[in-house]
Amino acid sequence: AQSVAQPEDQVNVAEGNPLTVKCTYSVSGNPYLFWYVQYPNRGLQFLLKYITGDNLVKGSYGFEAEFNKSQTSFHLKKPSALVSDSALYFCAVRDKVKAAGNKLTFGGGTRVLVKP
Amino acid sequence: DVKVTQSSRYLVKRTGEKVFLECVQDMDHENMFWYRQDPGLGLRLIYFSYDVKMKEKGDIPEGYSVSREKKERFSLILESASTNQTSMYLCASSPLRETLNEKLFFGSGTQLSVL
Repeated sequence: AQSVAQPEDQVNVAEGNPLTVKCTYSVSGNPYLFWYVQYPNRGLQFLLKYITGDNLVKGSYGFEAEFNKSQTSFHLKKPSALVSDSALYFCAVRDKVKAAGNKLTFGGGTRVLVKP
Repeated sequence: DVKVTQSSRYLVKRTGEKVFLECVQDMDHENMFWYRQDPGLGLRLIYFSYDVKMKEKGDIPEGYSVSREKKERFSLILESASTNQTSMYLCASSPLRETLNEKLFFGSGTQLSVL
């Protein structure tokens, strides 16, 4: 079975400082990996994905994520956080082996609070 | 832009009631999903459908059923609502043909309270 762990319930960071949101995963084969963001009273929005190729993936709003196969991690990063980045972030994984239905497994979410 | 519309933003129901949550997408997507979101548990898949009249159980289907009579509409049904079904329900869709681009498009969610 596939699973995702986001070890931090909340991350606090000062505006302008680097932001990192951690994610580790478990799949039987090779993974597809995703990050989604949820702003207050909104549905989830896609940020970025790793499918194959370059381990560093760039996405929306200045975010990037690094795929590390040996550590089974896919941490989300932003060099300089903005107050508007305050939101709930979800990591998700899908095993490439099982293709039916595009089923994704999500982590528990990490709340990011960026203080001015 | 793809739009996924959930019929209600907030819903309050009583224990034992039959509850219908409706979701409509306007981009001719084959795949549709129902998740529930609970603090600390993230999103958990209830049911999904990859074609009209087709459905597959997700990770937590107990107490729920679904209906997909038309491609654009995917309904979640709580046959007899219980308090432990109080949650945020999120509908999502994605195009089946894009096998490598598995981005999901989400609705804004329905916050259901069962009293």
